[in-house]
Amino acid sequence: GAGVSQSPSNKVTEKGKDVELRCDPISGHTALYWYRQRLGQGLEFLIYFQGNSAPDKSGLPSDRFSAERTGESVSTLTIQRTQQEDSAVYLCASSMTRATDTQYFGPGTRLTVL
Amino acid sequence: AQTVTQSQPEMSVQEAETVTLSCTYDTSESNYYLFWYKQPPSRQMILVIRQEAYKQQNATENRFSVNFQKAAKSFSLKISDSQLGDTAMYFCAFMSYGGATNKLIFGTGTLLAVQP
Repeated sequence: GAGVSQSPSNKVTEKGKDVELRCDPISGHTALYWYRQRLGQGLEFLIYFQGNSAPDKSGLPSDRFSAERTGESVSTLTIQRTQQEDSAVYLCASSMTRATDTQYFGPGTRLTVL
Repeated sequence: AQTVTQSQPEMSVQEAETVTLSCTYDTSESNYYLFWYKQPPSRQMILVIRQEAYKQQNATENRFSVNFQKAAKSFSLKISDSQLGDTAMYFCAFMSYGGATNKLIFGTGTLLAVQP
């Protein structure tokens, strides 16, 4: 079946603009994660959704970052008033219900803030 | 807090040879999983292998195997018969479970180049 998809693949924006990144999880996956990967570094956890439970936002770096997910479908990550340090690849992952289920990743969105 | 350390930023291996990538981690948790993910230039993170901490037997997946030393908190990846398609960034990752969020904690990665 289809994997995790993300759009856009690449996004270039000017400092101060808002951007919205989209993630389509694997059908049937109730858990969804957003991670950030800065150049030459590992992935940093941003936010976690599990079904209809309240999301875990503990990894969001500032209040300029927010994310939404409706039910078990698409999620959007919004960055307001972008800064140059927001430049990174933003990766989305989904997994099935159980805590021990493997996370499957999308191809990411490369964000460049000029 | 949990941490994952990969001390080899870059490695190189000849095609058909064997290479071992190192990973150490720090945690006070009892229940956790360890993973190796591969990230080729396409950016797609691909699961290579995973190890349940409660299992003493080392996980294997075809040419990929791990050496899991729980007491030493070490989790190395061995790639046998290296192929050109193995060229990628390899990330070691940790996940504790039983809490509300099962986030992955990643190391900084090892860039592996397989030479023809």
